[in-house]
Amino acid sequence: EIVMTQSPATLSVSPGERATLSCRASQSAGSFLAWYQQKPGQAPRVLIYSASTRATGIPARFSGSGSETDFTLTISSLQSEDFAVYYCQQYNDWPLTFGGGTKVEIK
Amino acid sequence: EVQLVESGGGLVQPGGSLRLSCAASGFTVSSDYMNWVRQAPGKGLEWVSALYSDGRTFYADSVKGRFTISRDKAKNTVSLQMNSLRPEDTALYYCARDKGYCGNGVCYGYNWFDSWGQGTLVTVSS
Repeated sequence: EIVMTQSPATLSVSPGERATLSCRASQSAGSFLAWYQQKPGQAPRVLIYSASTRATGIPARFSGSGSETDFTLTISSLQSEDFAVYYCQQYNDWPLTFGGGTKVEIK
Repeated sequence: EVQLVESGGGLVQPGGSLRLSCAASGFTVSSDYMNWVRQAPGKGLEWVSALYSDGRTFYADSVKGRFTISRDKAKNTVSLQMNSLRPEDTALYYCARDKGYCGNGVCYGYNWFDSWGQGTLVTVSS
């Protein structure tokens, strides 16, 4: 099983600042990596797939990069609605696996 | 508009069974790739099971042999039959769609999820 490790667990950022979230795979995930955002009491929402492709309707301030074992989600200028938990998910191999999440909180 | 509505959750004793259902609208479950993903209280996401349009099924090791995913084309629903439930199965269970893609006459799942329901809570406790 590919183990996904996200860091940091919590990221404190001021509105308007840049946030950089990391996701590391225990073995190669290729570019088969998705990012999700989850707000309290809501279902997750896909932001990025194929490591760097924004899903439909996702603002350009969200960008993804990386391949193989190291991936990054960058939020260029945090808006109030971006404070949430973010998860990465690999789909290169079964079982599909998620990282433990990074909580982005207001500084 | 794609919509997924889960039902069937509740309180069950260890060793018991429960059947979850996911009613879909805006698309056909038999044409897409349907999944169940769960989230234990205060924890992260865990993929549970997938049902491909060609009928293939996939399961997490933690549920293999105990859970069964299936679909009802007439009702446009996907179900998760859960047997031999354990306290560690306690979670909010989400139904999630993978719309997949087709090329050269063959269709594939993307294996990421573009639509999610709001979840149904399963509590396994005595």
